[in-house]
Amino acid sequence: NAGVTQTPKFQVLKTGQSMTLQCAQDMNHEYMSWYRQDPGMGLRLIHYSVGAGITDQGEVPNGYNVSRSTTEDFPLRLLSAAPSQTSVYFCASTLSRGRDNEQFFGPGTRLTVL
Amino acid sequence: KNEVEQSPQNLTAQEGEFITINCSYSVGISALHWLQQHPGGGIVSLFMLSSGKKKHGRLIATINIQEKHSSLHITASHPRDSAVYICAVTFFFPSQKLVFGQGTRLTINP
Repeated sequence: NAGVTQTPKFQVLKTGQSMTLQCAQDMNHEYMSWYRQDPGMGLRLIHYSVGAGITDQGEVPNGYNVSRSTTEDFPLRLLSAAPSQTSVYFCASTLSRGRDNEQFFGPGTRLTVL
Repeated sequence: KNEVEQSPQNLTAQEGEFITINCSYSVGISALHWLQQHPGGGIVSLFMLSSGKKKHGRLIATINIQEKHSSLHITASHPRDSAVYICAVTFFFPSQKLVFGQGTRLTINP
């Protein structure tokens, strides 16, 4: 199994540009989530999905969209990038919500918005 | 508010020392996770526990539900243990989402 994969690893955007961060898992996990990690702060939840076709907002959803058309893929879209979105983004998955299962994280995407 | 507090924020020790990192949380939880993040690296799950104690190699994690407190211990520490250690909990309410502590940056000098 490849686990959780993320692309790209690094990205530089200009303010106002849009882009999609890709996340995929091959473990047939129901629950997937996106976090951002900023210096001095814990990881914060952006959006999550409990299964294909079902998504919901996390703690810091503004400026981001998600969709879950398949179990495997959970892309994160930045609609109009802002410098405040400069961060490291992690995608994670776990077997299912409501059960205490091990969390699997992707390698992260380091995004800089100029 | 559901909160997770870790201490210390930074810890520097010499190779071979016994290391303890602490995590406290505010209300009842269904599970607590200890995660490891190496510099510039991804995040790896070390332990998930809801009671008692777990051991994996030189790492030991304990949790005291009544005290709302968990500790991560590293015995015979080694420079390769240098990383950020993150505590995360799943609160019973309002949802099963993970809430993360700010992390403890551990540096082990040879």
